[in-house]
Amino acid sequence: AQSVTQLDSQVPVFEEAPVELRCNYSSSVSVYLFWYVQYPNQGLQLLLKYLSGSTLVESINGFEAEFNKSQTSFHLRKPSVHISDTAEYFCAAYGSSNTGKLIFGQGTTLQVKP
Amino acid sequence: EPEVTQTPSHQVTQMGQEVILRCVPISNHLYFYWYRQILGQKVEFLVSFYNNEISEKSEIFDDQFSVERPDGSNFTLKIRSTKLEDSAMYFCASRDSGGNEQFFGPGTRLTVL
Repeated sequence: AQSVTQLDSQVPVFEEAPVELRCNYSSSVSVYLFWYVQYPNQGLQLLLKYLSGSTLVESINGFEAEFNKSQTSFHLRKPSVHISDTAEYFCAAYGSSNTGKLIFGQGTTLQVKP
Repeated sequence: EPEVTQTPSHQVTQMGQEVILRCVPISNHLYFYWYRQILGQKVEFLVSFYNNEISEKSEIFDDQFSVERPDGSNFTLKIRSTKLEDSAMYFCASRDSGGNEQFFGPGTRLTVL
């Protein structure tokens, strides 16, 4: 079955600490991978994406994710988090059909504490 | 910067009533999507729409659901007879023909009483 799995439902972390949000995908989805962020009471915003090329992709606000084909993972990392990073983070992949259907993981709530 | 808009932001309805959720995708986009997110759960794909027809739909998208692009700008999701379990946040998204990124609207929170 096509699936994206986020192993942690909640990740509490102190401000300025590093964080990793884990994401694994099934081999039946495409390897177009995305991380979306949802701030409270807002919609989904694209954080970063992997389509091809370099396996390490970066966002403008310091997040990065690494595509690892052998481990079927696309973990999201940030070396030093801020209070403003508190949000829900969703990993997603395109399904194997070519309609552009996105398959989402369950989401990880990042709670940054002062 | 162009964006996807959705109206209303919050819709409250009685069970059995029909609702129409409206979306205005980004103007030059050709692919349109509806997703839903039940409170506390993950975002689920409902339907994709291209060239004035459904290109893929999920098991959730049963006969109670329909989509339409009534004019050149709007993209609607209709639920014919709402159930309690239809209560969720509904997101519209669009994508252009050459891109891989879907742009999401802010969502409509549907509450069925």
